[in-house]
Amino acid sequence: GAGVSQTPSNKVTEKGKYVELRCDPISGHTALYWYRQSLGQGPEFLIYFQGTGAADDSGLPNDRFFAVRPEGSVSTLKIQRTERGDSAVYLCASSLSLAGGPDTQYFGPGTRLTVL
Amino acid sequence: KQEVTQIPAALSVPEGENLVLNCSFTDSAIYNLQWFRQDPGKGLTSLLLIQSSQREQTSGRLNASLDKSSGRSTLYIAASQPGDSATYLCAVEKPNDYKLSFGAGTTVTVRA
Repeated sequence: GAGVSQTPSNKVTEKGKYVELRCDPISGHTALYWYRQSLGQGPEFLIYFQGTGAADDSGLPNDRFFAVRPEGSVSTLKIQRTERGDSAVYLCASSLSLAGGPDTQYFGPGTRLTVL
Repeated sequence: KQEVTQIPAALSVPEGENLVLNCSFTDSAIYNLQWFRQDPGKGLTSLLLIQSSQREQTSGRLNASLDKSSGRSTLYIAASQPGDSATYLCAVEKPNDYKLSFGAGTTVTVRA
């Protein structure tokens, strides 16, 4: 079946602009995660959705970052007033989130964001 | 805060040699540990998941061990092949936390 997809694959923007990054999770996965990976580093957690609600947004770096998942499927990560330091690969993952067991997260290919 | 460290940062071996990748974590109260593979420009692929109650997991040429009390995991790749060239990341999950804490990865090059 189809895996996690992310669009666009690459996004180049200018400092101060607004960007939206989209994630399509695996069908039926109730949990969705956003991570950010800077060059040479491992991914860092940003936000976790269970269904439509953000269950944990403790990783969002500041209030310029916001994410939604209005129908419990597709999610959009929104970044306002972009800064050069926001340049990174933004990864999305989804999982079944079954109670009582380990929950493998399946990752998409990521969106590479470059802020000039 | 959970800190995950992977040593070495990079590794180059001739084809056929066994690979040993190390991962250490500071908080031993984990729910599980996963090893991922990342190819350039691609997302992460889960290789092995070890629950906190387990000591090791095996899949084909891959074997991962977990020593939770000492905060260590090791990924062994037997008889390496050029196709094994990639970055390998370990990640830990705390109980009731869901989010993964990643190491920076070990970049492996297998020379033909």
